[in-house]
Amino acid sequence: QVQLVESGGGVVQPGRSLRLSCAASGFTFGSFGMHWVRQAPGKGLEWVAVISYDGSEEYYADSVKGRFTISRDNSKNRLFLQMNSLRREDTAMYYCAKEMLVLPDYWGQGTRVTVSS
Amino acid sequence: HSALTQPASVSGSPGQSVTISCTGTSSDVGNYNYVSWYQQHPGKAPKLIIYDVSHRPSGVSNRFSGSKSGNTASLTISGLQTEDEGDYYCSSYANGFTRVFGGGTKLAVL
Repeated sequence: QVQLVESGGGVVQPGRSLRLSCAASGFTFGSFGMHWVRQAPGKGLEWVAVISYDGSEEYYADSVKGRFTISRDNSKNRLFLQMNSLRREDTAMYYCAKEMLVLPDYWGQGTRVTVSS
Repeated sequence: HSALTQPASVSGSPGQSVTISCTGTSSDVGNYNYVSWYQQHPGKAPKLIIYDVSHRPSGVSNRFSGSKSGNTASLTISGLQTEDEGDYYCSSYANGFTRVFGGGTKLAVL
């Protein structure tokens, strides 16, 4: 069965960086696009970024463009999100999700990121 | 892209039907048949219940159905059950290869 396990979250000061990781199993990772989606405390879902199955294409929400970078290592079945210049408004639960056609289908349980001084 | 517009809350009694709307623009919902719906229970990850406007993944109850007209997609839940309580989100593919979510709708089964 599809399993997605996020890690790397934590408490970080504004302006600093953090790298999230997502370990995938139960499907042919290198055949599917992957997404990051976040959810601020008590708020709705916000799409963050997507990467194509082979890593050749990446697209971002305007709110993170230029600060966040999505990447993947198909040899290790891993997805990453490098987050730079973090702001308080980036505080959220971050989910990685497998793509079906163009939108997420399976989701991980999330990793929490808190940006605070 | 701005978030898709959903009602903040809906409610219904067990056995009844409810419909949740999801309004976008010609740059997202109106231009693509790529609309998905997700159910989220408190403290849990979202679960896909509808994809490609009206298709149900394997294992999802046929009480859930989806449709679209113009810039508005809809999720209908028939034969409401207490376990249907939770938050529901729509999502759409959008121009510029981006994706967008709705603000979410809290469903109460009274």
